[in-house]
Amino acid sequence: EAAVTQSPRNKVAVTGGKVTLSCNQTNNHNNMYWYRQDTGHGLRLIHYSYGAGSTEKGDIPDGYKASRPSQENFSLILELATPSQTSVYFCASGDQGEEQYFGPGTRLTVL
Amino acid sequence: QQKVQQSPESLIVPEGGMASLNCTFSDRNSQYFWWYRQHSGEGPKALMSIFSNGDKKEGRFTAHLNKASLYVSLHIKDSQPSDSALYFCAVTSGGNYKPTFGKGTSLVVHP
Repeated sequence: EAAVTQSPRNKVAVTGGKVTLSCNQTNNHNNMYWYRQDTGHGLRLIHYSYGAGSTEKGDIPDGYKASRPSQENFSLILELATPSQTSVYFCASGDQGEEQYFGPGTRLTVL
Repeated sequence: QQKVQQSPESLIVPEGGMASLNCTFSDRNSQYFWWYRQHSGEGPKALMSIFSNGDKKEGRFTAHLNKASLYVSLHIKDSQPSDSALYFCAVTSGGNYKPTFGKGTSLVVHP
């Protein structure tokens, strides 16, 4: 069974603080993705990666950085968190055109 | 940039009824079409894909694709309360690793 895990599952951060969201996949997929989900906006792509060492900007990259140190791991970094980044974040893995496997999500609150 | 729009935003159907979900897209080079379902508190899970024009049936679910009309739909026959969820349409253009998700349709099946 394809598996994507995320940590932490819940996070409360202060404005201006640094936040790192982690994602691990055991699917051996080349592509990994970070989305945020907000009511009324659906799933919006923040960053994605074709493989270890690569990161690409998605549709809403401002305020976020990404890191893909290995095939299995993909991190999303908020260097200076703002309240507007309060959201639910999903990581996914999947090859081009194929099914994406999503993690359980991280609920981030920035105070 | 690809635009994916879903309708209706929300839908209520009786148990045993038919639910019809619609999705339009803007890029004529789109090649991969997926429907995802998300139950409350979980990550989205792939329901089914359709890549060729016409109908594709999987159990109670039928997807329909008309690339010329930039339209894809999902029909759920004999709807069950367990089908109550948020449904997303995801579209990927050929040669592109970036799927674009619609904002979703919230389906409620009442007993």
